[in-house]
Amino acid sequence: AQTVTQSQPEMSVQEAETVTLSCTYDTSENNYYLFWYKQPPSRQMILVIRQEAYKQQNATENRFSVNFQKAAKSFSLKISDSQLGDTAMYFCAFMSGAQKLVFGQGTRLTINP
Amino acid sequence: GAVVSQHPSWVICKSGTSVKIECRSLDFQATTMFWYRQFPKQSLMLMATSNEGSKATYEQGVEKDKFLINHASLTLSTLTVTSAHPEDSSFYICSALTGSGNTEAFFGQGTRLTVV
Repeated sequence: AQTVTQSQPEMSVQEAETVTLSCTYDTSENNYYLFWYKQPPSRQMILVIRQEAYKQQNATENRFSVNFQKAAKSFSLKISDSQLGDTAMYFCAFMSGAQKLVFGQGTRLTINP
Repeated sequence: GAVVSQHPSWVICKSGTSVKIECRSLDFQATTMFWYRQFPKQSLMLMATSNEGSKATYEQGVEKDKFLINHASLTLSTLTVTSAHPEDSSFYICSALTGSGNTEAFFGQGTRLTVV
């Protein structure tokens, strides 16, 4: 079974700083997808970024980018120029052919003014 | 992105009663929807996979008779918590797949269920 591990329960940075959230996963499959979701206090799950495992190039979405290391099974999220609105729970997630999302434990990120 | 609407946003019910939660895909058809449960300060736990026109697939440890799932159309899945008890109080979230290869999941707003 696939597992997703986020080893940082909480993180806190100052506004405008860069922060990196860690995620590792375990799978025996070769084709899969990785995601980062944001869950603000409203609890609405919002897709931040996705990465296809077959793509070597790291995904980027404006201030959000990932460092995907397939061999190491690592998928970290970098947030540049952090903003107060980035304060939220962040979940790393894995999806394979079964199309089920497996979530990590989450990292609570706080951006301080 | 695609919109998934979940209703109600919150509900309070008495022990022993049943409550139904709806999950609708508003601007796309979803053959597959998922139901999650989230306890405070914890991650999302997959309860079941809802497939249009067929029986839902439940995860290990989830009681089928307690959490009834119906996916009668391509835009609607419902979760009914039967004979609710206080321990069923939780945050329930649905999601639906769309996009390239059906690999993009969009989530409803969630339903906070409180059983008193």
